[in-house]
Amino acid sequence: AQSVTQPDARVTVSEGASLQLRCKYSSSVTPYLFWYVQYPRQGLQLLLKYYSGDPVVQGVNGFEAEFSKSNSSFHLRKASVHWSDSAVYFCAVTDNYAQGLTFGLGTRVSVFP
Amino acid sequence: EAAVTQSPRNKVAVTGGKVTLSCNQTNNHNNMYWYRQDTGHGLRLIHYSYGAGSTEKGDIPDGYKASRPSQENFSLILELATPSQTSVYFCASGANAEQFFGPGTRLTVL
Repeated sequence: AQSVTQPDARVTVSEGASLQLRCKYSSSVTPYLFWYVQYPRQGLQLLLKYYSGDPVVQGVNGFEAEFSKSNSSFHLRKASVHWSDSAVYFCAVTDNYAQGLTFGLGTRVSVFP
Repeated sequence: EAAVTQSPRNKVAVTGGKVTLSCNQTNNHNNMYWYRQDTGHGLRLIHYSYGAGSTEKGDIPDGYKASRPSQENFSLILELATPSQTSVYFCASGANAEQFFGPGTRLTVL
């Protein structure tokens, strides 16, 4: 069975500051890893995904994530946040993407001017 | 134009009633999924499908049925709705390790 832990339920940052969201996963094999973003009253949108190769993956809107097999982690980063980055961010994992994803509980990010 | 649409967007049902949530995708993806989102639980997989005629149980299938009559359509059926099924339901279609989500259906069971 797979699981995902996002230890921070809420994060507050100032506009222009850097952001890191943590994600730890548990899987018996190297899984597919994802970060999704959910804006208010909308569905989820994919930010980036990882399966193999360079452990640092680039996503949309300046986001990137770094995979660490030794730490079972897939942390999300952004160098300089904008107020429009305020949203809920979900980390997800699967070892068979045809069979659906297992999501973390999400981290709510609030960006203040 | 939205590739995954859901209807209705909001639904109020009575306990013991039958509820059908519909999902349509124009991505021509083989795989489709139903999740529910609840505070404290994130998103959880209810049912998924590999293609027309296929339905598979996800992590929390009890109390739900699914139907995939065509490539484009995937329905979630609550035969006897209960208040514990009050939630926001998301449909998604997927291919190549990417899933594309619909806008969600907010279901309230009274």
